Amino acid sequence: NAGVTQTPKFRVLKTGQSMTLLCAQDMNHEYMYWYRQDPGMGLRLIHYSVGEGTTAKGEVPDGYNVSRLKKQNFLLGLESAAPSQTSVYFCASSARGVDEMYEQYFGPGTRLTVT
Amino acid sequence: KNQVEQSPQSLIILEGKNCTLQCNYTVSPFSNLRWYKQDTGRGPVSLTIMTFSENTKSNGRYTATLDADTKQSSLHITASQLSDSASYICVVSDGGGSQGNLIFGKGTKLSVKP
Repeated sequence: NAGVTQTPKFRVLKTGQSMTLLCAQDMNHEYMYWYRQDPGMGLRLIHYSVGEGTTAKGEVPDGYNVSRLKKQNFLLGLESAAPSQTSVYFCASSARGVDEMYEQYFGPGTRLTVT
Repeated sequence: KNQVEQSPQSLIILEGKNCTLQCNYTVSPFSNLRWYKQDTGRGPVSLTIMTFSENTKSNGRYTATLDADTKQSSLHITASQLSDSASYICVVSDGGGSQGNLIFGKGTKLSVKP
């Protein structure tokens, strides 16, 4: 099993450009999450999904959109990138909700720089 | 405001020594507390998950303790190895919402020197 994979690993964008980050999991997990990690801060939840076809906003959703058309994939979109979106993005998945003691499995991350 | 504070921010120890990392939280209500290990350039990996009724949980050389009354947790690493060099993140769930809100600490960066 590959677990959770993320594409791409690195990306440099110019301000105003758009891009999509892809997250894929092969564990048949219901829940998927997108986080961002910035220096000196804890991980912050951007959006999450509790099942195929569902999405919901997390703590810092502005400037991002998501889609979960297939259970194994969770896409994060930046419509018009801004320098403030320079960060490391992590995708995670879990079988059920984290309030039910289920483990989260994280991907390796995507390092995004917006100039 | 729900917060998770970790100390120290960074720590350097010699290989083979033990160390203890601290986590204080002000999250309410409380659902569970997690410790993650994050190697440089990698995603976090779960070490332990504890509910309020669990005082201690071990995962190999890692032992986490939880005092729900004082809202404190610690992660003890025994006989450290060079591969233990990483950031250790304390995370608390408040059980809210369908995804159970997770509040992440900023992490303690541990360096193990030979």
